[in-house]
Amino acid sequence: GQNIDQPTEMTATEGAIVQINCTYQTSGFNGLFWYQQHAGEAPTFLSYNVLDGLEEKGRFSSFLSRSKGYSYLLLKELQMKDSASYLCAVRPDRGSTLGRLYFGRGTQLTVWP
Amino acid sequence: KAGVTQTPRYLIKTRGQQVTLSCSPISGHRSVSWYQQTPGQGLQFLFEYFSETQRNKGNFPGRFSGRQFSNSRSEMNVSTLELGDSALYLCASSWDGSSMNTEAFFGQGTRLTVV
Repeated sequence: GQNIDQPTEMTATEGAIVQINCTYQTSGFNGLFWYQQHAGEAPTFLSYNVLDGLEEKGRFSSFLSRSKGYSYLLLKELQMKDSASYLCAVRPDRGSTLGRLYFGRGTQLTVWP
Repeated sequence: KAGVTQTPRYLIKTRGQQVTLSCSPISGHRSVSWYQQTPGQGLQFLFEYFSETQRNKGNFPGRFSGRQFSNSRSEMNVSTLELGDSALYLCASSWDGSSMNTEAFFGQGTRLTVV
């Protein structure tokens, strides 16, 4: 089966840095995604990693280690609006289209003032 | 450009009924995927359609089906509704033909409540 684990909840204060971890065991691997989902809204794309290493995009960075089946999302200079659920998803299949994504259950991040 | 449009936003049905949900992808996108989101299970893949063909299917019973039209709009149907089908159903639009395109854009979802 497919197994994607991430912490259920995390809290942090405004201006701080938080790291959300994700470990995965899937039948194949062809990329890992991070999405942000505010309550009652659609998930929005944050990052995509397919090769080992760090991808930086503004206040958000994502890291991947394929040999360890591990990724993290790093959020810097936290703002109140970053309070949301963060979803880790693995794409197991090769192919020209996106195909299936297997999601973790999400990490609910609460940012306190 | 316009985002992914899902209709209706909210739906209440009774057990045993059937329901059809609609998804209009972003203009130019040809792949549509459907997901079920529940508090207990998170986001679970239902199926993916591309060029009117089902490309992938998740582990859901045959009561869940879908189709895609020539304009890439997609519908999903759930027959003989059960209480456990209550969920947020999300549609994701992707693939404009570029091999580098990996991002999926989600619609706002349809909140289905089965009573």
